[in-house]
Amino acid sequence: AQSVAQPEDQVNVAEGNPLTVKCTYSVSGNPYLFWYVQYPNRGLQFLLKYITGDNLVKGSYGFEAEFNKSQTSFHLKKPSALVSDSALYFCAVRDSLDSGNTPLVFGKGTRLSVIA
Amino acid sequence: EPEVTQTPSHQVTQMGQEVILRCVPISNHLYFYWYRQILGQKVEFLVSFYNNEISEKSEIFDDQFSVERPDGSNFTLKIRSTKLEDSAMYFCASLRTSGYNEQFFGPGTRLTVL
Repeated sequence: AQSVAQPEDQVNVAEGNPLTVKCTYSVSGNPYLFWYVQYPNRGLQFLLKYITGDNLVKGSYGFEAEFNKSQTSFHLKKPSALVSDSALYFCAVRDSLDSGNTPLVFGKGTRLSVIA
Repeated sequence: EPEVTQTPSHQVTQMGQEVILRCVPISNHLYFYWYRQILGQKVEFLVSFYNNEISEKSEIFDDQFSVERPDGSNFTLKIRSTKLEDSAMYFCASLRTSGYNEQFFGPGTRLTVL
């Protein structure tokens, strides 16, 4: 069965500095990987996904993520953090061996705090 | 931009009572999901629904839970006899077509069972 690990409960970064939110995964086939963000009192908003192709994917709000097959990782990055990036970030995975509408498996989330 | 909506935003109920959580998925989407998130824990899958029937359900989705799409727009989750451990944030999600697409999530309903 697939699984996702987000090893950090909390990440603190100063505004203007680069940020990284870590995610590792485990699947039987090939991974379909997603990042979602949750702002207070809001639902999960899609940021970006990796399905195939270029290992570096770009998404909303200046975020990007790098797929690393050998390390089974899909870390979320941003070159310059903003205070408004402070939120809860979830990594999720689906296995390519599953049918296309199977549910996502989520990590436990990482709270990002950007300090002015 | 179309979005998934959920009502109510917060529901407080007594243990043993029935609750119905409502969702309006994006109109041209075909697959629907319920997830839940117990405070401080990860988002967990409950059930998926396609073509007016359950596609898949997790071990959490026992006989106390049911889902329904009573008309062309609403998608509901019913908990027949709530327990304290049902207290959580419940998210509805929809997916346009199968394949590589991302799911779109609603804002959630916070259920508090007293």
